[in-house]
Amino acid sequence: RKEVEQDPGPFNVPEGATVAFNCTYSNSASQSFFWYRQDCRKEPKLLMSVYSSGNEDGRFTAQLNRASQYISLLIRDSKLSDSATYLCVVNGRVEYGNKLVFGAGTILRVKS
Amino acid sequence: NAGVTQTPKFQVLKTGQSMTLQCAQDMNHNSMYWYRQDPGMGLRLIYYSASEGTTDKGEVPNGYNVSRLNKREFSLRLESAAPSQTSVYFCASSDGRPNTEAFFGQGTRLTVV
Repeated sequence: RKEVEQDPGPFNVPEGATVAFNCTYSNSASQSFFWYRQDCRKEPKLLMSVYSSGNEDGRFTAQLNRASQYISLLIRDSKLSDSATYLCVVNGRVEYGNKLVFGAGTILRVKS
Repeated sequence: NAGVTQTPKFQVLKTGQSMTLQCAQDMNHNSMYWYRQDPGMGLRLIYYSASEGTTDKGEVPNGYNVSRLNKREFSLRLESAAPSQTSVYFCASSDGRPNTEAFFGQGTRLTVV
């Protein structure tokens, strides 16, 4: 089983739609959770961290469910510029550095 | 602000050739990482270094070696390149604490023919 699993998509949505992605992780000892965004052929960049109480940044809301070991990302009022691959990231073994494990990514395509 | 700098950006190798991918960060980060990204596979960790002088294997270390030359630099070496190592390679760094962001270089697109 992969440490971090995501639905690869693609999710094809119209502008203005609300879309949600889920991600599951296998290491119950994981402490850090993130969503990164990757544009085509570019390096990944942090979209937002995910905190236990859930957190929001503008149109983006992230939730963490430790009991079920999944995190989610909700995007409201989708924009064309939101089209990208969204990577779920979890830290792996914590005893030696903050080793980040990436999911394979979920592709989002927002269409006009 | 340079951040994480990788060189080269593109490289074509013949099977059996060797090369070193260079990575340097100017953020005084403790931890540095090398990932490879293949279609449909996401980023897979090759090696990482939690601090200067230490390195550890990641998910896919076979065929690679690394060197943490100093706090700034973390190089990845392919001793005898194989077509299976055709990929996009990303170097990243972070300060190593939980809940802190990793910053990535722009990537190296390597083709082994």
